[in-house]
Formats: sequence, structure tokens, C-alpha cells
Amino acid sequence: AQSVTQLGSHVSVSEGALVLLRCNYSSSVPPYLFWYVQYPNQGLQLLLKYTTGATLVKGINGFEAEFKKSETSFHLTKPSAHMSDAAEYFCAVSGIAGGYNKLIFGAGTRLAVHP
Amino acid sequence: EPEVTQTPSHQVTQMGQEVILRCVPISNHLYFYWYRQILGQKVEFLVSFYNNEISEKSEIFDDQFSVERPDGSNFTLKIRSTKLEDSAMYFCASSETRTSGGFDEQFFGPGTRLTVL
Repeated sequence: AQSVTQLGSHVSVSEGALVLLRCNYSSSVPPYLFWYVQYPNQGLQLLLKYTTGATLVKGINGFEAEFKKSETSFHLTKPSAHMSDAAEYFCAVSGIAGGYNKLIFGAGTRLAVHP
Repeated sequence: EPEVTQTPSHQVTQMGQEVILRCVPISNHLYFYWYRQILGQKVEFLVSFYNNEISEKSEIFDDQFSVERPDGSNFTLKIRSTKLEDSAMYFCASSETRTSGGFDEQFFGPGTRLTVL
């Protein structure tokens, strides 16, 4: 079965520090990969996505992620954390086994940013 | 900026009662979805809907669940006889198209928290 694993349900960083949120997937075919962010009392907002082409993708708010097929990973990074980055982050995949029109989510990582 | 809206934001119901969760997708979108997130667990796909019919559903989406697009703007999820385990946050999403071999961004609503007592 296809799945997404996010390592670390909670990550805490200092303002200005590097943010690294980990995501690994399992798939027998090349997937489409996504990162969504959820701020309190809001819906899921797309941060970035990888479909084909360049493996390093840039998203909104200074985030980027790199698709590494050999490691089946799609980790999310941001060089310098801001207080406003505190939120829950979800990695998701689609396009697995023909299921192009559904997303399979990881369990989420709650990011805390402290002064 | 267009957005997906959901009502109510919180619904409390008694076990065995029927509930209808409502969503207004973005107006030019053609694909509609429901997901749910049980507290502390993953966001799970329930169903996708296109051209007035279900295009895909998960094993969670059993006979107790149904979806409908009753008019040109609303998209509803009905649970006929709620169970305690139906308590969750339910998210509606919509996307513009599903390009061949590709994927269009799904835009999510803020969710409805369903509490079954």
C-alpha cells in the first residue's frame, strides 16, 4: 500500500534557524508530491508541489523541497524560520496507482517557532 | 480571492442522527472532494465527485455516507446514522480540472468539526 511518513510530529526551532520537516513516501510509480500548511482554524493551503521536471521546487513563504527518488524523500526546508511559520505541515502524495484525483496525507508535523 | 467555504464550522449531534455538512466550492471548479481527520490522526480521503457522480471513494465511504450537488453551488456530505467514530474534522476541497496525467491543486475549506455524542 502507498503511504507517506512524516518523521517528527512536533518540531521546535528558534526564530531565524533552519526549518527541516521530513517526509518519506512509498510508491512503486513516480508520485506527485505536495506540502500543505494549516494555520489554526483554517483550511489546508498548498505550499508547493512536485509533479515532473526540476527536483528542487520552491513554494510560498520561502519554503522549498527537494524530491529525491533514491531516498524516496521530499523534505521541506526554509533557511530562516519566522514566527508566522508556526503551523501544522502535511506532506501528501497523489498519482499513485492511477489515483490521480485523491491525496494521501502524512500524519502532519506541528512546527513551533520560539523567539 | 476565491475560497472554499464550509458550514457549519462545528456540528454536535447525537449518535444515530443524520447530519449534512455543506460546502461551497470555488465557482469555476469541476472536481469536488471530501476528506476527514479524526483527532490526532491523518487526513484521509473519503470521496471525489465529478460531473454529478462519484469518481472515486475510499473504503471509509460506506453506505452511511452520500454526497450530492443539489444546485450549482453547494456540495454536501450526508451521514445517515452517525456513529461515535464519525467524530472528526471534515474538509471539503475543489479543483479546477484534472489534466490528463497531471494534477490540479486542490483548494481546501476550513473544515467542519463534527462531534457525535
